[in-house]
Amino acid sequence: DVKVTQSSRYLVKRTGEKVFLECVQDMDHENMFWYRQDPGLGLRLIYFSYDVKMKEKGDIPEGYSVSREKKERFSLILESASTNQTSMYLCASSYPGSKNIQYFGAGTRLSVL
Amino acid sequence: AQRVTQPEKLLSVFKGAPVELKCNYSYSGSPELFWYVQYSRQRLQLLLRHISRESIKGFTADLNKGETSFHLKKPFAQEEDSAMYYCALAYNFNKFYFGSGTKLNVKP
Repeated sequence: DVKVTQSSRYLVKRTGEKVFLECVQDMDHENMFWYRQDPGLGLRLIYFSYDVKMKEKGDIPEGYSVSREKKERFSLILESASTNQTSMYLCASSYPGSKNIQYFGAGTRLSVL
Repeated sequence: AQRVTQPEKLLSVFKGAPVELKCNYSYSGSPELFWYVQYSRQRLQLLLRHISRESIKGFTADLNKGETSFHLKKPFAQEEDSAMYYCALAYNFNKFYFGSGTKLNVKP
């Protein structure tokens, strides 16, 4: 079974702090994704990575950056957290090709005070 | 630009009633569409894909290219179907666009 693990279920940070959200997958998937999930807005793609050290911006990359130094790990970085970044963050991974199914982590609920 | 629209934020039906969750898409290429489901306190998971043409937990979805729709249907809703449902479009082979979601509430 595919496992996508997000390091924290809940995080509380202060405005201006640098925040790291970590995600690890154990299925050797090439693709990894970061989304934020907000009521009424659904899932919005922040960043996508299709290989180690490769990344593409999604629909809402402003205020975020990512790091993928190893295939299994994809980190989301909030350089200077702001209150409008309070949200649920979901990590996902997938294998490119005909299956194209995304597997999701349990999510990290981030509150920025 | 690719888009996925789920017009209903909330859908309430009684147990045993038919249910249809609507999804419309906008995409110039050949679409690959999915339904994902999130039950309470569980992670988001795949429900079904249009390519598979299968029925999962009694749900089916047919891709209608003429109407650009991929509605999710079940003839007899069960209380355990209560969840958040997201329609998703895969584009550029690897990227996904999700709709805003429909919360299904099945009343006893």
